[in-house]
Amino acid sequence: EDKVVQSPLSLVVHEGDTVTLNCSYEVTNFRSLLWYKQEKKAPTFLFMLTSSGIEKKSGRLSSILDKKELFSILNITATQTGDSAIYLCAPILSTSGTYKYIFGTGTRLKVLA
Amino acid sequence: GAVVSQHPSWVICKSGTSVKIECRSLDFQATTMFWYRQFPKQSLMLMATSNEGSKATYEQGVEKDKFLINHASLTLSTLTVTSAHPEDSSFYICSASTRRNSNQPQHFGDGTRLSIL
Repeated sequence: EDKVVQSPLSLVVHEGDTVTLNCSYEVTNFRSLLWYKQEKKAPTFLFMLTSSGIEKKSGRLSSILDKKELFSILNITATQTGDSAIYLCAPILSTSGTYKYIFGTGTRLKVLA
Repeated sequence: GAVVSQHPSWVICKSGTSVKIECRSLDFQATTMFWYRQFPKQSLMLMATSNEGSKATYEQGVEKDKFLINHASLTLSTLTVTSAHPEDSSFYICSASTRRNSNQPQHFGDGTRLSIL
């Protein structure tokens, strides 16, 4: 059975702190892995990772994938209150000629002023 | 670009009512749309994948007669929850992809909160 585990489940930090969010997965026919940020409504896309060891960066956020150890991390440096959200990772797997996402339970991040 | 609009954003109705939720891609053609369900503090669970002009593919455990999906055009997919009951109360989110069988990121709508009394 395909499984995605995110840790920690929740995290409370102060502005300026650095956080590392973890995502481990066991899925068949893995293609890529995505990170999304979900505030009150729709998840918004952050990163798509396909190759191992290549860091992707966007401002204070960065992410990397390890396909051998089957995990990914999302780093946020110098956190701000606007970073408060649920962060979801989703491996993409191919099955029966289609692609589908398997979402993790998410990490709920709260950044205090 | 790549905006997905979902309507309505919130529905409250009586048990036994059928509820239709619309998902529209506003500035692109969505060959494939996905319907997810999310319970409080839980992850998004894929319910079904719909490709324009063909029948939807439902995930295991999802009743196709209960959750009717129609994807009649490249910009619109609808999910109808038939004879809804309190256990159907949940947050339903659609997403869209520009290409069939695409490995590219999906674009999500804002979701519909469904409450069945």
